[in-house]
Amino acid sequence: QVQVVQSGAEVKKPGASVKVSCKTSGYSFTANAVHWLRQAPGQGLEWMGWINGVDNYTIYSQNFRGRVTFISDTSASTAYMELSSLGSDDTAVYYCAKGRNYVLDWWGQGTLVTVSS
Amino acid sequence: QSALTQPASVSGSPGQSITISCTGTSSDLGNYNLVSWYQHHPGKAPKFIMYEATKRPSGVSNRFSGSKSGTTASLTISGVQAEDEADYYCCSYAGSDIWVFGGGTKLTVL
Repeated sequence: QVQVVQSGAEVKKPGASVKVSCKTSGYSFTANAVHWLRQAPGQGLEWMGWINGVDNYTIYSQNFRGRVTFISDTSASTAYMELSSLGSDDTAVYYCAKGRNYVLDWWGQGTLVTVSS
Repeated sequence: QSALTQPASVSGSPGQSITISCTGTSSDLGNYNLVSWYQHHPGKAPKFIMYEATKRPSGVSNRFSGSKSGTTASLTISGVQAEDEADYYCCSYAGSDIWVFGGGTKLTVL
């Protein structure tokens, strides 16, 4: 069955970078996309962008362009999200989700990233 | 790209029907029938419960139904149950490989 498993919680200092992994199984990684979203405390879901599993084609939300990088490792069916120049307002739970036919049909459990000095 | 607009909260007693609205623009929700809905119990992974505005994936209760008219989509839960208490998010394709989400609606079952 489909599984989407994210890496564990991170604590980072302001100005640092964080890299979150999203390991998938149970489906063709290269035939689907991986979307990234986040949820800040008390806020709703915010879409960050997506990466195509077959050719690394990426789209970034304008809110994160220049600060976020998506990578896919097809040999490990794993996607990565790296966010740089962290500030306190980047404290959030980050989610990855499998994208298929315009829906996000399987989600990871979320990764809490805390930015604190 | 602005977020879709949802009410912050709705509530209903067990057995009642509730409807959550989701309003977009002619560039996103009004231009595509690619609206999806997600149920999110805090601390758990979100779950998709509706796609293409009105279609239910297998395994989702038929108490959930969707509709869309113009730039507004709606999710209706008939006979709401305690287990339905969660946050609900709408999402629309907005063209140019961009997706946009709503701010979320907290459903409280009284």
